[in-house]
Amino acid sequence: QKEVEQDPGPLSVPEGAIVSLNCTYSNSAFQYFMWYRQYSRKGPELLMYTYSSGNKEDGRFTAQVDKSSKYISLFIRDSQPSDSATYLCAMKTGNQFYFGTGTSLTVIP
Amino acid sequence: DGGITQSPKYLFRKEGQNVTLSCEQNLNHDAMYWYRQDPGQGLRLIYYSQIVNDFQKGDIAEGYSVSREKKESFPLTVTSAQKNPTAFYLCASSTIAGGLYNEQFFGPGTRLTVL
Repeated sequence: QKEVEQDPGPLSVPEGAIVSLNCTYSNSAFQYFMWYRQYSRKGPELLMYTYSSGNKEDGRFTAQVDKSSKYISLFIRDSQPSDSATYLCAMKTGNQFYFGTGTSLTVIP
Repeated sequence: DGGITQSPKYLFRKEGQNVTLSCEQNLNHDAMYWYRQDPGQGLRLIYYSQIVNDFQKGDIAEGYSVSREKKESFPLTVTSAQKNPTAFYLCASSTIAGGLYNEQFFGPGTRLTVL
């Protein structure tokens, strides 16, 4: 079993839809959770960085962490074609980072 | 502008050649990392360094070498011993606080193709 599981998609939604991206994990020692956005042939860009369970909001993005279920989500409201990218979740315990394989999202105008 | 630069953007290598990928950061970050990204496999850690003149192997260090002579620079050499080097290579950096590495910031990547 992988440390971090992420559905690769692809996920295709119409413009304006609410997008839900998810990752599950098996290691209860994970304490820090991150979401990255990666455009094709580019490096990942850090979107959200959270520590505790609960929600963290930044503009149209909301990161949600449920440590009891070992489940994290990224919600994108009012999705735009410019949101089309691959989204990577990442988790950290101590100095060990673990990355999901990414979910490919396409927002159709 | 603060950030991480990687060069070249694209690199072609013949069989049996060593090539060096450049990574420079002006974020004053202590820790630097090299990852390899292959389709469907996510990011795999090659090497990382938390201080000048010191670095540690990651999960897939075989066939790679690094140096950290300056805080700002962390070049990666892909040697001829790396059997399947065609991949997208990402450099990252982070601050360190209380001995813990914080969130990583990535460069734009170098796509290496073996001919």
